Amino acid sequence: SQQGEEDPQALSIQEGENATMNCSYKTSINNLQWYRQNSGRGLVHLILIRSNEREKHSGRLRVTLDTSKKSSSLLITASRAADTASYFCATAADYGNNRLAFGKGNQVVVIP
Amino acid sequence: KAGVTQTPRYLIKTRGQQVTLSCSPISGHRSVSWYQQTPGQGLQFLFEYFSETQRNKGNFPGRFSGRQFSNSRSEMNVSTLELGDSALYLCASSSDQTGGLTGELFFGEGSRLTVL
Repeated sequence: SQQGEEDPQALSIQEGENATMNCSYKTSINNLQWYRQNSGRGLVHLILIRSNEREKHSGRLRVTLDTSKKSSSLLITASRAADTASYFCATAADYGNNRLAFGKGNQVVVIP
Repeated sequence: KAGVTQTPRYLIKTRGQQVTLSCSPISGHRSVSWYQQTPGQGLQFLFEYFSETQRNKGNFPGRFSGRQFSNSRSEMNVSTLELGDSALYLCASSSDQTGGLTGELFFGEGSRLTVL
């Protein structure tokens, strides 16, 4: 089954504002990851949160995980034009391999 | 460290042909995964190789195959191409040093395949 499903929204914000996107998944996970993709290029890993963690920060990024609701959110604070990209959440359910299930992605446009 | 390198970056094929894509992982990474990205289906897992063995496989037909060499470089092959195989094919490597837990994947820039 498809795991890691973001709310299918395109977000357009002004530079300096915060951007929030959500992700829901269906089955048990061992961790959830967020990736960024610029214009159909390769994905860049942003942050990983383990199933026993509730919140994690990395620079301007804040991710939360609610395993009871099977959901996660990614907050980008003080957005910049360079944050314009598609953002994907991905869940890892299995041990012993690197299979990730990706959501459909959120497109974020930051207007200078 | 050099990143993940995929070749070719762009290619055009016609229906019925076959294609081979190559991926060189980050030095020291033994796990290589392949993903297909299309506008309709999004990012879908194809397969993962670790130490020359296929460790996991997604739900793709047998026309999609892969292999990994002793230097961890990987290739994937698609035979009898169909129009629907047009996609961005992404390779990712991982250090696999997390005691079996899935860790961060490092992606290449992808190979964009167009099937006419």
